[in-house]
Amino acid sequence: ETGVTQSPTHLIKTRGQQVTLRCSSQSGHNTVSWYQQALGQGPQFIFQYYREEENGRGNFPPRFSGLQFPNYSSELNVNALELDDSALYLCASSLVGEQYFGPGTRLTVT
Amino acid sequence: GQQLNQSPQSMFIQEGEDVSMNCTSSSIFNTWLWYKQDPGEGPVLLIALYKAGELTSNGRLTAQFGITRKDSFLNISASIPSDVGIYFCAGPTYGSGNTGKLIFGQGTTLQVKP
Repeated sequence: ETGVTQSPTHLIKTRGQQVTLRCSSQSGHNTVSWYQQALGQGPQFIFQYYREEENGRGNFPPRFSGLQFPNYSSELNVNALELDDSALYLCASSLVGEQYFGPGTRLTVT
Repeated sequence: GQQLNQSPQSMFIQEGEDVSMNCTSSSIFNTWLWYKQDPGEGPVLLIALYKAGELTSNGRLTAQFGITRKDSFLNISASIPSDVGIYFCAGPTYGSGNTGKLIFGQGTTLQVKP
């Protein structure tokens, strides 16, 4: 059984640019959640996708958007990058209840 | 909003010692999850608790779901160097759908001296 995978592993972008991060959910999992983890903090919920629809959103501005595809993989898009967007971005997949995390994408905005 | 408070913030112990950490909330949770995160990696689920008063073990790890549903404890017995990492408690809050968004504590950083 393949776990949650994310790409790319690391990314460096310039302030004002746009970025797309990708996540492949664990086989059979229909729900993907995205989290932002700043250095030294716990993950913060961005939003969740369930059967291709957004199913809840945290306290993040509209420039954070996402998609879920029919195979349940997902994308996180961030427009107009700001320095404070530098963080580890985690996706987690689930079927019911427990969420299983991928290794994350480390985004650095300069 | 809901918050989870973990303590202690960090621990530095000798190999072989037992470790205890806890997590408290001002709100009730119906599920408590404990994760471990190694540097540069995603959190790995250690133990899931679903019922108040439940005591669950996973090898040297034991976690308890508090009777009030507002707290949980994680114990590690006979610590070894690979126990080093950050331990997070988390609880889901639910809207529509089957899976809630997770609220995380601030984490407890564990260092083990060989």
